[in-house]
Amino acid sequence: DGGITQSPKYLFRKEGQNVTLSCEQNLNHDAMYWYRQDPGQGLRLIYYSQIVNDFQKGDIAEGYSVSREKKESFPLTVTSAQKNPTAFYLCASSFRRILSYNEQFFGPGTRLTVL
Amino acid sequence: DAKTTQPPSMDCAEGRAANLPCNHSTISGNEYVYWYRQIHSQGPQYIIHGLKNNETNEMASLIITEDRKSSTLILPHATLRDTAVYYCIVHKNTGNQFYFGTGTSLTVIP
Repeated sequence: DGGITQSPKYLFRKEGQNVTLSCEQNLNHDAMYWYRQDPGQGLRLIYYSQIVNDFQKGDIAEGYSVSREKKESFPLTVTSAQKNPTAFYLCASSFRRILSYNEQFFGPGTRLTVL
Repeated sequence: DAKTTQPPSMDCAEGRAANLPCNHSTISGNEYVYWYRQIHSQGPQYIIHGLKNNETNEMASLIITEDRKSSTLILPHATLRDTAVYYCIVHKNTGNQFYFGTGTSLTVIP
């Protein structure tokens, strides 16, 4: 089955620890994204990557880091510098059609709780 | 990308059509209108998109006004499983970023 997987679904960490969230897709999509969602809020863009070995900061990149070494994978590291890391994290991917539509497909999300 | 305005919440009786409005008065000519929905604690699900013409698929219909300043998502026969937050997004294909606002929380009532 084609799709986007995120693991784990629930993650607990102690304050001050770095943690890496996994995102894998087998849709052959070029672009991948990380969003953060807080209770009752919309999605906010953390980082995005249009191609392998390239990525850009979104609206709330501080305290986060990413890598894009493979087309299929876009892991997100939540560092100890992120002041309020407890949130629901969503990964998405899309094609990069020029002058056409590019719907994003989302993974099931990872709920991170920092104790 | 142009910003969108949606009502924060709506109710709909089960089996009736749900009509969800969206204003995007600053939309430009090369921006598409997308609709997604998010059921609690899940990733958003793509529903439909359009540029100028009305569109229909197995999930919904999208009606875009002639001046493209607003659109309506129609769920023709709402079921309880359609209870979700619905996001209207306007997006141009440079940068590939999507802006998700707070959407409309639709509750389908038995």
